[in-house]
Amino acid sequence: EVQLVESGGGLVKPGGSLRLSCSVSGFSLSSHSMNWVRQAPGKGLEWVASISSSSGDAYYADSVKGRFTLSKDNSKNSVFLEMNSLRAEDTAIYYCARDAWVAAHFLDHWGQGTLVSVSS
Amino acid sequence: EIVLTQTPATLSLSPGGRATLSCRASQSVGSNLAWYQQRPGRAPRLLIYDASNRATGIPARFSGSGSGTDFTLIISSLEPEDFAIYYCQVRSIWPPKDTFGQGTKLEI
Repeated sequence: EVQLVESGGGLVKPGGSLRLSCSVSGFSLSSHSMNWVRQAPGKGLEWVASISSSSGDAYYADSVKGRFTLSKDNSKNSVFLEMNSLRAEDTAIYYCARDAWVAAHFLDHWGQGTLVSVSS
Repeated sequence: EIVLTQTPATLSLSPGGRATLSCRASQSVGSNLAWYQQRPGRAPRLLIYDASNRATGIPARFSGSGSGTDFTLIISSLEPEDFAIYYCQVRSIWPPKDTFGQGTKLEI
């Protein structure tokens, strides 16, 4: 069974840092790219970042580029989102999601999310 | 950059009714479109991928259609658990980036 479990969320002051983790089971990170998607309170879904299964290359939304860093440890079945210089507008539930594809890419499994609150 | 526009923003129907949700892309995306359902307090769930393929475990009352710029999600006979928010999503080829529509809230 595929499972994704996020952790590491919490309350942080503006300008602070936080590291989110996504622990996966039921599949290999060397076979599936991974994504982070966030949802601000009462708002829609916003893609944040993705990391390639093969190359480990990471890609970011413009809103977080230069502040967030996505990495993974295949041996630990975990993906990490390092978030620096946090702003109030980064407040959201952060979901990790597995990338899948047939003819095109989509997100076929999601974690339950972890809440990040940025406030003084 | 691809923009997805979902209509209507809110759809009010009754159980047993038929729901038609639309998603329009700002440029052609072929069949590269997925639909997700999000119930209150829950993570999103994949419903449809590649515009018309139901994901594993999704009931047959959900169907997707369309290609190019215009896509439709139909729920043929609404069950109480179907009242939720629905999002469409597209993946850009390069750089790899997902774009979501703003969502359609399906309410009783």
